[in-house]
Amino acid sequence: GEDVEQSLFLSVREGDSSVINCTYTDSSSTYLYWYKQEPGAGLQLLTYIFSNMDMKQDQRLTVLLNKKDKHLSLRIADTQTGDSAIYFCAASLGTGANNLFFGTGTRLTVIP
Amino acid sequence: DVKVTQSSRYLVKRTGEKVFLECVQDMDHENMFWYRQDPGLGLRLIYFSYDVKMKEKGDIPEGYSVSREKKERFSLILESASTNQTSMYLCASRRTSGRTDTQYFGPGTRLTVL
Repeated sequence: GEDVEQSLFLSVREGDSSVINCTYTDSSSTYLYWYKQEPGAGLQLLTYIFSNMDMKQDQRLTVLLNKKDKHLSLRIADTQTGDSAIYFCAASLGTGANNLFFGTGTRLTVIP
Repeated sequence: DVKVTQSSRYLVKRTGEKVFLECVQDMDHENMFWYRQDPGLGLRLIYFSYDVKMKEKGDIPEGYSVSREKKERFSLILESASTNQTSMYLCASRRTSGRTDTQYFGPGTRLTVL
């Protein structure tokens, strides 16, 4: 298996950047994912990065991967109140039906 | 768009009742999963299925069983509900092949056992 860890809470002011961090333990992880869960809803895939990349940008979202330190981060630029949610990091360990391991989730609160 | 639906958004049951949670996906995915989500614990895998009639235990299968008679439908069964099974239950599906291992989630069922 794999251990994926995240801090539980993060608060930022509207308009600031948010950085949500995640560490994982298995260096053979192939894909790393960020999911967003809004209140009362299921998880929605936000973005993912392949392990041979170190950065991926998608509009306000920037994913950074430090494979040496097994550290993944999600930066949200110009954070809005609609970004308030729980963000889950997940790591994939290659083939097999059950190969996705989730962190505990980070609850992001955006203060107006 | 992949669609994963769950039969109920909210459910209230009594201790000892048999509870069925249904999940349906419309993308012909081979793999389906049941998780429970509790504050501070993240997602914990209960059971998964990699094909019709095939199932595997996840990390916390005790007190649960599953059924996959058709490819699109994966049911979670609580044989005798207990108060410690009060939780948010999330179903997900995933294609075996493909570029990524992306799981697609349903909206969740919040179960309260009194």
